[in-house]
Amino acid sequence: EPEVTQTPSHQVTQMGQEVILRCVPISNHLYFYWYRQILGQKVEFLVSFYNNEISEKSEIFDDQFSVERPDGSNFTLKIRSTKLEDSAMYFCASSEGSSGDTQYFGPGTRLTVL
Amino acid sequence: GQNIDQPTEMTATEGAIVQINCTYQTSGFNGLFWYQQHAGEAPTFLSYNVLDGLEEKGRFSSFLSRSKGYSYLLLKELQMKDSASYLCAVPPHGGYQKVTFGTGTKLQVIP
Repeated sequence: EPEVTQTPSHQVTQMGQEVILRCVPISNHLYFYWYRQILGQKVEFLVSFYNNEISEKSEIFDDQFSVERPDGSNFTLKIRSTKLEDSAMYFCASSEGSSGDTQYFGPGTRLTVL
Repeated sequence: GQNIDQPTEMTATEGAIVQINCTYQTSGFNGLFWYQQHAGEAPTFLSYNVLDGLEEKGRFSSFLSRSKGYSYLLLKELQMKDSASYLCAVPPHGGYQKVTFGTGTKLQVIP
């Protein structure tokens, strides 16, 4: 069964550094997403991406964040100048269509900012 | 806006049945998801209801009442591996993509 994959599973970085989290969505899916979950809190939407551009973003997704689809399979989230409060699980998800289509989640990347 | 409420924690006994409730308020409606999330892992899709009524899928069933803004997830023949958080989530409507998640109900199954 096809699945969303993410690398690395765990990333440790120093405050102020830049990190790139990588995702490979399910191959026939057209919509890609990043979500964040701070330990003990709920899953929060960051951004959605369709047709090589951002289609929707939350108030969390400010200038510190960017997304890119550098090739036909990868989808990346870049976090610049990381802060302690960026420590969280970052989940990538993908869906065939938008709105009511089921979003399938990858295993997540645990980001720890020291 | 979208608002979702569900109990924070529940405890149930192995082999029993448990019902996890969810109430929601949305500006538009495009169905409701239930996800299961084990600690430290990604949410896993369980069910999607868009019409009123009960949908059964093995040991898990999900119910929706659109007029009441209410859903529940029913887990039968509980197993220890069912210990997890159960997330009620409202998908976007009107062409948007943002899924709004509830805080989740942490279910502990005890022997």
